[in-house]
Amino acid sequence: KAGVTQTPRYLIKTRGQQVTLSCSPISGHRSVSWYQQTPGQGLQFLFEYFSETQRNKGNFPGRFSGRQFSNSRSEMNVSTLELGDSALYLCASSVGSGSGETQYFGPGTRLLVL
Amino acid sequence: DQQVKQNSPSLSVQEGRISILNCDYTNSMFDYFLWYKKYPAEGPTFLISISSIKDKNEDGRFTVFLNKSAKHLSLHIVPSQPGDSAVYFCAASALRSGGSNYKLTFGKGTLLTVNP
Repeated sequence: KAGVTQTPRYLIKTRGQQVTLSCSPISGHRSVSWYQQTPGQGLQFLFEYFSETQRNKGNFPGRFSGRQFSNSRSEMNVSTLELGDSALYLCASSVGSGSGETQYFGPGTRLLVL
Repeated sequence: DQQVKQNSPSLSVQEGRISILNCDYTNSMFDYFLWYKKYPAEGPTFLISISSIKDKNEDGRFTVFLNKSAKHLSLHIVPSQPGDSAVYFCAASALRSGGSNYKLTFGKGTLLTVNP
């Protein structure tokens, strides 16, 4: 089975711009979660989607949003970029059925905001 | 407020010896714990997990121990190999308390270096 894929792998943007990142989960997985990794804060949960609905949300401002399509692929959007949004953005997929599940991560998209 | 803590930023061991990575948590609602390994420029790779109904889980060279009363878990790698050199993250989730299995709270990681 192919793993979780994320595009693009690297991205450079300037302050004030917006960006869209894409994630394709493992085939058969219906849950997609997004995380932000920074040197200072570590890995932090952004949100999780299941069956095209946001099921869980972390403590990030409304500039961070996402969506999921009927094929379980997910996109994450960050509007009005700030320097502090420079980070590695990771998505993870799982079956989505409930307890004791493992999330499998993609390689991440490294975003640099100048 | 850091709910999952990995107090050792780094650990160095000799090849063939045991590596012990530690993790403490403060949220008593956490009931599922995982360890991930991460190489530079890659996403975290799942290693092993444990539910709060158990106190030990083994998978090959990897064993995770959970001490609920101390809110402490540890990952043992025996024997350690140079290829194990990576950053190890401890993560936790709270499912049965009405939380979500999909919202993981991570520690900040421990860099393990296994010397040949």
